[in-house]
Amino acid sequence: AQKVTQAQTEISVVEKEDVTLDCVYETRDTTYYLFWYKQPPSGELVFLIRRNSFDEQNEISGRYSWNFQKSTSSFNFTITASQVVDSAVYFCAFNPTNDYKLSFGAGTTVTVRA
Amino acid sequence: NAGVTQTPKFQVLKTGQSMTLQCAQDMNHEYMSWYRQDPGMGLRLIHYSVGAGITDQGEVPNGYNVSRSTTEDFPLRLLSAAPSQTSVYFCASSQTPGQPWGTQYFGPGTRLLVL
Repeated sequence: AQKVTQAQTEISVVEKEDVTLDCVYETRDTTYYLFWYKQPPSGELVFLIRRNSFDEQNEISGRYSWNFQKSTSSFNFTITASQVVDSAVYFCAFNPTNDYKLSFGAGTTVTVRA
Repeated sequence: NAGVTQTPKFQVLKTGQSMTLQCAQDMNHEYMSWYRQDPGMGLRLIHYSVGAGITDQGEVPNGYNVSRSTTEDFPLRLLSAAPSQTSVYFCASSQTPGQPWGTQYFGPGTRLLVL
């Protein structure tokens, strides 16, 4: 069975600071997909990124960047120059290839103070 | 496209009552699923369906029933509500999970309180 660990329960930063969210997963699968979702205070779940285990290239989308390291089973997420609108709960999730079940971490609550 | 819709948004039940949480999607996705979200536990899979007429259990299926008579709809039934079922429920849909096109998209959630 897969396990996704987000060790940071809460992170509080001041606006414009960078913040990195850690995600570590455990699996015996050789191929899989990793995800990040954002849950703002309004409650909906917003898809941010999907990463294939074959592709270890880091990805950048605006102020968001992701660092995938298969050797350490980590898929970390960095918000650069944080803004108040980044305040949310962020979930890391894992889906083995050819499997129907998406496993979530417990989430990290990010609070960005003005 | 409306995406994934859920009704109701909020519901209060008394212990022992039954109810159905509705979920619909208009993206012609074959896969649909139900999750519950509890503080400090992330989202846990309750039941899922890979197509009309096909359902299976997830991680926490006890106390819940599902059926899938159409591609669009995937209702979740609580037969006899218990306080332990107080939670936020999310429905999701996707093309086949575990594939490059298999990103799950979530509905807005239903907040359920069982007294």
